[in-house]
Amino acid sequence: LAKTTQPISMDSYEGQEVNITCSHNNIATNDYITWYQQFPSQGPRFIIQGYKTKVTNEVASLFIPADRKSSTLSLPRVSLSDTAVYYCLVGPRDSSYKLIFGSGTRLLVRP
Amino acid sequence: GAGVSQSPSNKVTEKGKDVELRCDPISGHTALYWYRQSLGQGLEFLIYFQGNSAPDKSGLPSDRFSAERTGGSVSTLTIQRTQQEDSAVYLCASSSYREGKGGQYFGPGTRLTVL
Repeated sequence: LAKTTQPISMDSYEGQEVNITCSHNNIATNDYITWYQQFPSQGPRFIIQGYKTKVTNEVASLFIPADRKSSTLSLPRVSLSDTAVYYCLVGPRDSSYKLIFGSGTRLLVRP
Repeated sequence: GAGVSQSPSNKVTEKGKDVELRCDPISGHTALYWYRQSLGQGLEFLIYFQGNSAPDKSGLPSDRFSAERTGGSVSTLTIQRTQQEDSAVYLCASSSYREGKGGQYFGPGTRLTVL
């Protein structure tokens, strides 16, 4: 699995857009980029997955540059309930692959 | 529809006792995974099932840990002769191999405390 690097923590305020960047310099040709969200005392929740360019769903957007060595998760107009840990994973799209989570990015949204 | 469910939600046991943790995956999901998460730590992969077979057991920490899956659905994780270091939240996830969309869907977890 490609190693990923993301900020340990980020602070934001309600209503702002939050962008969390993940570096994955050794991403392989068949690797996809997937983001999960985890609240305290809960299991992780799948947010979004992409391969290149931009992917958008009802929750977030994922921006992936042409070289795919990094990706940015964008959360529009965050609320207090978006306070959580966000994990970036890189690996084959096939969901049979085991997930290896790093330390993630702790996002704190303030009022 | 119903998500992944796990039982019990909390389990307190004494060192040396055996415990069984249960996972009910999303109906139709052929792949099932067990992970554990210690306090403040990331997820640790334990085992992966495709149908009833387990092609990857590489994460099981010792031979005290075993898991089975029957009928391509419910899975049980068994820990024999529990130790204090087994205390963690045990998470189960499932995914649809056929979807190809990626993403695993997690249950709420079982918090195991070994005294």
